[in-house]
Amino acid sequence: GQSLEQPSEVTAVEGAIVQINCTYQTSGFYGLSWYQQHDGGAPTFLSYNGLDGLEETGRFSSFLSRSDSYGYLLLQELQMKDSASYFCAVREPTGGFKTIFGAGTRLFVKA
Amino acid sequence: DVKVTQSSRYLVKRTGEKVFLECVQDMDHENMFWYRQDPGLGLRLIYFSYDVKMKEKGDIPEGYSVSREKKERFSLILESASTNQTSMYLCASSRTRTGGNEKLFFGSGTQLSVL
Repeated sequence: GQSLEQPSEVTAVEGAIVQINCTYQTSGFYGLSWYQQHDGGAPTFLSYNGLDGLEETGRFSSFLSRSDSYGYLLLQELQMKDSASYFCAVREPTGGFKTIFGAGTRLFVKA
Repeated sequence: DVKVTQSSRYLVKRTGEKVFLECVQDMDHENMFWYRQDPGLGLRLIYFSYDVKMKEKGDIPEGYSVSREKKERFSLILESASTNQTSMYLCASSRTRTGGNEKLFFGSGTQLSVL
């Protein structure tokens, strides 16, 4: 099975850059995804890394290193609306299409 | 856009009741999932289904069952509700992608309170 670890909370100021890490223990997986969830809302998909390296989508970037069992989400030019919880997730290659989530990182953006 | 609809936003039930949570998606997705979300624990997979009438246990299936009689509908059943099943329940769906980069679309959630 999979085990994903993320910091529980991160605080940053508006306009700054913040990195949210995700380390995992797995015997194999397809790739690493990231989801954002605002208070009271549903999780929404942000990005996916199937290969090692950096994927960029606007202010958000995501990185994966399979050799280090590590990935991160990078948020640039932070805005107040980025205050939310961020989850990393992996899809297990066995037993159908099982997607497992980390416990989530709560990001607080301060003015 | 994909729409995943959960039948109730808030639900209050009594211990021992049989509870049905309904989820419908409108994009012909093969895969559907039920998660529960608790503070500090993230999203934990209860059951998922990759086809009609097919179901697979997730990480915490005890006390739950599911039904998928039609492709668009996936029901979560609490056979005898208990207080430790008080939680936010999230339904999701996705299209199968061989590369693994499937995107899950979530419903708005059902906050279930068992008293």
